[in-house]
Amino acid sequence: AQSVTQLGSHVSVSEGALVLLRCNYSSSVPPYLFWYVQYPNQGLQLLLKYTSAATLVKGINGFEAEFKKSETSFHLTKPSAHMSDAAEYFCAVSAMNYGGSQGNLIFGKGTKLSVKP
Amino acid sequence: DAGITQSPRHKVTETGTPVTLRCHQTENHRYMYWYRQDPGHGLRLIHYSYGVKDTDKGEVSDGYSVSRSKTEDFLLTLESATSSQTSVYFCAISEPGLAEETQYFGPGTRLLVL
Repeated sequence: AQSVTQLGSHVSVSEGALVLLRCNYSSSVPPYLFWYVQYPNQGLQLLLKYTSAATLVKGINGFEAEFKKSETSFHLTKPSAHMSDAAEYFCAVSAMNYGGSQGNLIFGKGTKLSVKP
Repeated sequence: DAGITQSPRHKVTETGTPVTLRCHQTENHRYMYWYRQDPGHGLRLIHYSYGVKDTDKGEVSDGYSVSRSKTEDFLLTLESATSSQTSVYFCAISEPGLAEETQYFGPGTRLLVL
């Protein structure tokens, strides 16, 4: 069964600093991995996704993530934080198996990112 | 933005009353999902649909039922609301339901059960 662990429920960085949000997954089959962002009182918006085409995935708003099979990780990074990046970020894995999938997503518990001026 | 609307956006109800939440999409996507979001739990799947009249249970389906009579509408019913069902409910859609396909989310419904 697939699962996702996000390390750190809250992360605080200064404006201009590196953003690193951690995500580790557990999957018995090659996973499909996603990062979503949720701004206050809004729905979830896709930042980026890994579907085995390339291990370094670039997303919107300057974010990227690297798939590392050996570490079962898919950490999200941004070189320089902006105040507008303050939001909650969710890592998710597709509930996939060799028998097929309904495309269901299994989410981590989320990481709230605060950006200090 | 994907054409997904949820209604109502906010609702306050009393314990024991039935509640129906509606998700409407204009994308003609075959798959639709209902999630609930609670602090410290992320999003958890309640039910999903893979076509008209085709639905299945998710991780936290107890106390919930769903119906899909048209491609564009997916209804979530709380048969007898309880305080533990106070949550934010999100609808999502995807096509064609392949694992790598993105799920697009609606704006959410905030439900308070008193």
